[in-house]
Amino acid sequence: GEDVEQSLFLSVREGDSSVINCTYTDSSSTYLYWYKQEPGAGLQLLTYIFSNMDMKQDQRLTVLLNKKDKHLSLRIADTQTGDSAIYFCAERGGSQGNLIFGKGTKLSVKP
Amino acid sequence: DTGVSQDPRHKITKRGQNVTFRCDPISEHNRLYWYRQTLGQGPEFLTYFQNEAQLEKSRLLSDRFSAERPKGSFSTLEIQRTEQGDSAMYLCASSLAGTGDGYTFGSGTRLTVV
Repeated sequence: GEDVEQSLFLSVREGDSSVINCTYTDSSSTYLYWYKQEPGAGLQLLTYIFSNMDMKQDQRLTVLLNKKDKHLSLRIADTQTGDSAIYFCAERGGSQGNLIFGKGTKLSVKP
Repeated sequence: DTGVSQDPRHKITKRGQNVTFRCDPISEHNRLYWYRQTLGQGPEFLTYFQNEAQLEKSRLLSDRFSAERPKGSFSTLEIQRTEQGDSAMYLCASSLAGTGDGYTFGSGTRLTVV
């Protein structure tokens, strides 16, 4: 079945780069997404990548996709304390309308 | 358009009571999704609509749960005979079919069953 795995915690110092990793199982996934959730809030779409792309850059965010290994990563450059949140990886399968989410990676940024 | 709106933000109910939540999607979005999120977990898919048609329901959606989208605009999610295990954040999202732009989520309704 479909499954999305993420490490649960990441701690970095302010100004460093953060790299959050994700693996997924559905090889027919068409789009892969990164969402951010702050405490008590809904999910905010950060960025997404189409499955025929290897990389997408959007300001401080870089998404890398290794389709062969079904591995997705999100790099946040110059991490700030405001980036502290839970980051969710999600895949959307080819025939399904719904997104399948990982459990989320809690990013803590220390000053 | 102010995004996806959910009402209420919080709901506390006694076990056995019925509750209903409302979601107003982005007006030009034809798809609407309901997700449930418990503490420490990612959102879990419950059901989705394209216009007024309910196209898919998860196995998580027991017989006590029902969702409607009568005119293809707002949607309601009703839980009958609530149980403590229903305590969660209920998230609504909307999207435009045929695009990969991702879903826009509302802020959620936090349900506490006591």
